[in-house]
Amino acid sequence: KAGVTQTPRYLIKTRGQQVTLSCSPISGHRSVSWYQQTPGQGLQFLFEYFSETQRNKGNFPGRFSGRQFSNSRSEMNVSTLELGDSALYLCASSLLDRGNYGYTFGSGTRLTVV
Amino acid sequence: SQKIEQNSEALNIQEGKTATLTCNYTNYSPAYLQWYRQDPGRGPVFLLLIRENEKEKRKERLKVTFDTTLKQSLFHITASQPADSATYLCALDPGNDKIIFGKGTRLHILP
Repeated sequence: KAGVTQTPRYLIKTRGQQVTLSCSPISGHRSVSWYQQTPGQGLQFLFEYFSETQRNKGNFPGRFSGRQFSNSRSEMNVSTLELGDSALYLCASSLLDRGNYGYTFGSGTRLTVV
Repeated sequence: SQKIEQNSEALNIQEGKTATLTCNYTNYSPAYLQWYRQDPGRGPVFLLLIRENEKEKRKERLKVTFDTTLKQSLFHITASQPADSATYLCALDPGNDKIIFGKGTRLHILP
């Protein structure tokens, strides 16, 4: 079956702009989580969605937001971009009961803010 | 606050030897402990999960141990190969909340 698809793979934006990233989970997975990965901080949790509802939120400013659609696809948005937002943004899908399967990650979107 | 540490940033192991990676955590009671592999420019790939009531789990050349008293997991790769070179991430899963990740250990298997 198809894996987790993230688009776009690469993005270059200017400070102050906003960006929207997209994630299509594995078919049948209704839980989607987003992480920010930087060399210094590792993977930092942004938020988790299940059935179009945000279940958990990490410690990121309100400039970071997300949503999930009825087909489980998810988007995250970052407004008023800052240089420090440059990172690999990873989407992970899972069954709500992760059981023995953990997360399935996409390849990520590499965001560079200049 | 919750803390998860992988105590080697990088590890060099000779091909054919066993690589052992360590994950320690504090102020946390995970239901599961997971290990992922990440290659440069790619997302992490799930390898193994061990439950809080399990001591050891094996999958092919991989072995994970979990000591909830010591709050520590060890991840072993036996008969290591250059293709095993990657970053390995430890993750704590409470089962009903977000998964938190360690910063990873970069493993280099030297031919």
